[in-house]
Amino acid sequence: EAGVVQSPRYKIIEKKQPVAFWCNPISGHNTLYWYRQNLGQGPELLIRYENEEAVDDSQLPKDRFSAERLKGVDSTLKIQPAELGDSAVYLCASSPREGRAVNTEAFFGQGTRLTVV
Amino acid sequence: GQNIDQPTEMTATEGAIVQINCTYQTSGFNGLFWYQQHAGEAPTFLSYNVLDGLEEKGRFSSFLSRSKGYSYLLLKELQMKDSASYLCAVRESDDKLIFGTGTRLQVFP
Repeated sequence: EAGVVQSPRYKIIEKKQPVAFWCNPISGHNTLYWYRQNLGQGPELLIRYENEEAVDDSQLPKDRFSAERLKGVDSTLKIQPAELGDSAVYLCASSPREGRAVNTEAFFGQGTRLTVV
Repeated sequence: GQNIDQPTEMTATEGAIVQINCTYQTSGFNGLFWYQQHAGEAPTFLSYNVLDGLEEKGRFSSFLSRSKGYSYLLLKELQMKDSASYLCAVRESDDKLIFGTGTRLQVFP
């Protein structure tokens, strides 16, 4: 079974340019997360989806960040315009959910390493 | 507020035992996870605790005390390949999954 797939793996852009990241979760996983991880730190949650609904976007800097998961499967995360401080690894994760069952781990993709110069 | 604390770095010798502690203060509790992350790679799941006590899985064990807001990950018979970051994560009552800053473990021969 394929895991969580993210692309691109690496991206280098100049500041003020836009950038987009794509995530394909594990088939059948209702819950999708986007995290940002700075070097030497743990992942910080940006947004969480249950199917196509963003149920928690309180940590998403909405002035420049946007995300969508139109059909409840793939998701994209966009930054426009990018700033130097956005350099980080952007991780996508997914987990299954059946009813109120929550005792399932999140499976992570390889991440996109963004460098803003 | 949310707070998950772990030591920043630890070192140990090959073949030894190491315990990585995690304390948490979160908005509700629906389970605690431990993940392993090698440099430049994605976090991978190690263990899950939702009830108090010890969960053993091969060389790795994880303990939880909900009343103390405390967990530890125990790694036995350390191998060089165990050098990695170990992330403690708590699922809050609204299903949000919050991570600590991670503990970087270096295993020496």
